[in-house]
This record gives sequence, structure tokens and C-alpha cells, in this order.
Amino acid sequence: AAGVIQSPRHLIKEKRETATLKCYPIPRHDTVYWYQQGPGQDPQFLISFYEKMQSDKGSIPDRFSAQQFSDYHSELNMSSLELGDSALYFCASSLGTGGGEQYFGPGTRLTVT
Amino acid sequence: RKEVEQDPGPFNVPEGATVAFNCTYSNSASQSFFWYRQDCRKEPKLLMSVYSSGNEDGRFTAQLNRASQYISLLIRDSKLSDSATYLCVVSGGTSYGKLTFGQGTILTVHP
Repeated sequence: AAGVIQSPRHLIKEKRETATLKCYPIPRHDTVYWYQQGPGQDPQFLISFYEKMQSDKGSIPDRFSAQQFSDYHSELNMSSLELGDSALYFCASSLGTGGGEQYFGPGTRLTVT
Repeated sequence: RKEVEQDPGPFNVPEGATVAFNCTYSNSASQSFFWYRQDCRKEPKLLMSVYSSGNEDGRFTAQLNRASQYISLLIRDSKLSDSATYLCVVSGGTSYGKLTFGQGTILTVHP
């Protein structure tokens, strides 16, 4: 079965640079979630989209923005990168926003130097 | 205090053992409950949803006690491949869709 696809899988950036992470949800899933997992920490919710509209917002810095496109894929844009942004970024998708099961992509490992 | 609390372990058990993990959550408005497993540096993978009636999937049994705000996972006949971090996850309350994770319980199954 098709899973969530994320690209790139690894990304190395310098401080103050920008990065764009992409997420392609499972076919027919209409909701996308972004999570950040720092070293030794549990995943923290950043933001979610349902039917191309922002549905919920968590601890996402103002330097980050995201959107969901007409084909339901989503992009997380990160600007003015800081060392503390180094983390695994997971995208998850689900059908609807009703607290149903979320399926995670393999993640993008971002390293800021 | 974290919204979802788990004993971080580690739990070291021999193959064939039965092991139980517990979790408590603080938001009584939480609606959905899950166990995920996460292998090192990989994505969380859904193990099972948890229902008030309890549910079983092969060697895995999950229970939910809403009154006590307590979730459990029982693994029977442990396999080497069960070694992973087990994440207790809740959803609902003020933010309906987002998942809130416990810090995870590390399980190592040895020969």
C-alpha cells in the first residue's frame, strides 16, 4: 500500500538559510500534519491542514510557514534557520480531522550548521 | 507536567516474556488513543488504536480506562523484533486532530 512520501530525506543547511520540506500524503487522505522531533525527544505537533485550509496550529515558530496544495501535498517552509531547528521533521496524513489514525512518512532529517 | 506520561524504562526482557507498559493522560477531553512504535531514527508506526472495550491484535492487547485516564499495552511472547520505543499517544480535547505523544518506553528483547 502507498505510504506518505517526504522529500528530501536529508538536508544540510547553514544558519540563516531557508529550507523547504515536502510531503505527499497517502492517496485519498485529505489531512496533513507536521511534527518536529528533536534528539531524544518525542514528536511535537507543528501545524495541520484539512482540505487545503489550516486546521490547527501548534508550537510552530513564526519563521516557519506551511500550506497544502490542490493535490493535497504540503510544504513546510523554514526561514532564518537556527541551530536549534536541527531535528527530524515528520509529516503524517489521515482521512478527515476526526481524531482518526495518522500515518507517518519517513521524515526529513534537517541539520543546521 | 507532561500531558501524556509514560515510564521511560528501559525494559529488558528475554524472548518469550510478557511485558506491560502503562501510560496516563491529563486531558480528560481526549477522544482518541493509540500506541505507536518507533525504531531508532525512523518514523512512528501505528501499532494499534485503543478503545474502552479493549482490543487485541495478535500478541498485543491494549486497554483504556477513561475514568482513571490510563492506557496500557501488553505484549505476550516477546520477539527480538519487538525491540523498539513504544509511544503512548492521545488526540482530542482542545485540538481535535493533533497527536500528543508520551516520551516513550524503550523495550529491548534479548535472546
